Amino acid sequence: TQLLEQSPQFLSIQEGENLTVYCNSSSVFSSLQWYRQEPGEGPVLLVTVVTGGEVKKLKRLTFQFGDARKDSSLHITAAQPGDTGLYLCAGFNNAGNMLTFGGGTRLMVKP
Amino acid sequence: EAGVAQSPRYKIIEKRQSVAFWCNPISGHATLYWYQQILGQGPKLLIQFQNNGVVDDSQLPKDRFSAERLKGVDSTLKIQPAKLEDSAVYLCASSLGEGLYIQYFGAGTRLSVL
Repeated sequence: TQLLEQSPQFLSIQEGENLTVYCNSSSVFSSLQWYRQEPGEGPVLLVTVVTGGEVKKLKRLTFQFGDARKDSSLHITAAQPGDTGLYLCAGFNNAGNMLTFGGGTRLMVKP
Repeated sequence: EAGVAQSPRYKIIEKRQSVAFWCNPISGHATLYWYQQILGQGPKLLIQFQNNGVVDDSQLPKDRFSAERLKGVDSTLKIQPAKLEDSAVYLCASSLGEGLYIQYFGAGTRLSVL
C-alpha cells in the first residue's frame, strides 16, 4: 500500500503570511495531485504534476513535484481568508489508475 | 453542466442497522468511485467502477459493504450491518475515464452510526 504523509496537519496563520505544506512518501508515484476541500463539500482538483522536478504556478499557489517523484510541496504566497480549507495531496500508482490520498493539512487564514 | 449528485446528505442510524447511499455521476462519465472519509483523514478509495464493471475493490470491507452500478450510470453503496467505526462521509466521484482524467466529487453523505 502506498502511503502519503502530509505536514503540518493543522496550520493557522494571519492574512498576508506565506506558508508551505508538504506531502511525503517512501513510494514513487507516477503523478501527484493537490485538492482543496471546504466543509460540507467534496475535494476540488487544484493541479496535477507529472514530471519529477516539475513546478506549476496557479496565481499565488506554487506546486512542486520532487525529483524522485516521492514528495511534493504546496507554497501559498500572501495567504487570504479565502484560502482556508483542507488541502489534500493524492498520488497515482504506477499503473496510473488508482489514487491514494494523504491525510490532509487543515489551513485557517485569519483576517 | 450538472455535477455529481449524492443522496441523502445526512443519515443517522444505530449500529447493526442497514443503510444505502445513492450516486448519480456526471453524464457520460465512465468511471465512478466511492470513497470513505473519516473525520480528520483524507478520502480512502472503497471501490472503483469502469462502466458497470469493478476495477478495484481491494479496500471494500466485503463482509458488510456492497456496491453496484447497474447499467453503468447510477450507483448505490450499502452497509449491512453498520458498525460504529463506519461513521464517516461517503464521497462519490466520477471521471471520463481512468487515470489522469479529472475526478469530480459530490458533496458526500455524512453517516453517523450511534
